[in-house]
Amino acid sequence: GQQLNQSPQSMFIQEGEDVSMNCTSSSIFNTWLWYKQDPGEGPVLLIALYKAGELTSNGRLTAQFGITRKDSFLNISASIPSDVGIYFCAGQLGAGTYKYIFGTGTRLKVLA
Amino acid sequence: SAVISQKPSRDICQRGTSLTIQCQVDSQVTMMFWYRQQPGQSLTLIATANQGSEATYESGFVIDKFPISRPNLTFSTLTVSNMSPEDSSIYLCSVRPLDGNEQFFGPGTRLTVL
Repeated sequence: GQQLNQSPQSMFIQEGEDVSMNCTSSSIFNTWLWYKQDPGEGPVLLIALYKAGELTSNGRLTAQFGITRKDSFLNISASIPSDVGIYFCAGQLGAGTYKYIFGTGTRLKVLA
Repeated sequence: SAVISQKPSRDICQRGTSLTIQCQVDSQVTMMFWYRQQPGQSLTLIATANQGSEATYESGFVIDKFPISRPNLTFSTLTVSNMSPEDSSIYLCSVRPLDGNEQFFGPGTRLTVL
């Protein structure tokens, strides 16, 4: 099936560092969701974005809906060991479709 | 957000057998979905479970292999039929609440086929 491109694919960072990841596509989306998946668990919804340019925070996490509506960004500030996991973006295409397309995932590893 | 439970949480099955996975939500939801996540991969939509009618399958997935039921607004089952080792994956139930466009996932069922 169709997937969104996420980058980076994986990253190692030091505890306390800020993290940035993004999701890009050639298609225009009307909703973006960001999830975190821990090993052996289902994805947990972190942030939902509904309009171009929107910037939304959830604790140390901040996500933005790109102005072009073709991309989205997730930032994690002052990372801690429990931030380890896989982060997925999901985009919903314009009106007329109910399905979300999922990104390829960014695997984050934090070095204490 | 909805609270979603899945049973079983994991299973090890023999080739050629079938397994039925249950998904229960604590509140009524508009849409229920079944996803597959192969090791180290992203999520792939198998089908949308429709209440009272046949599920809507994505390309590459067929009803004979993955029969789905949804008898009401809070419950659905996915059966993985005539299993082979290639069916070893995590199977995830996902729901969309009545009052939003967000989507929530259950804890998943980890299936290993020998």
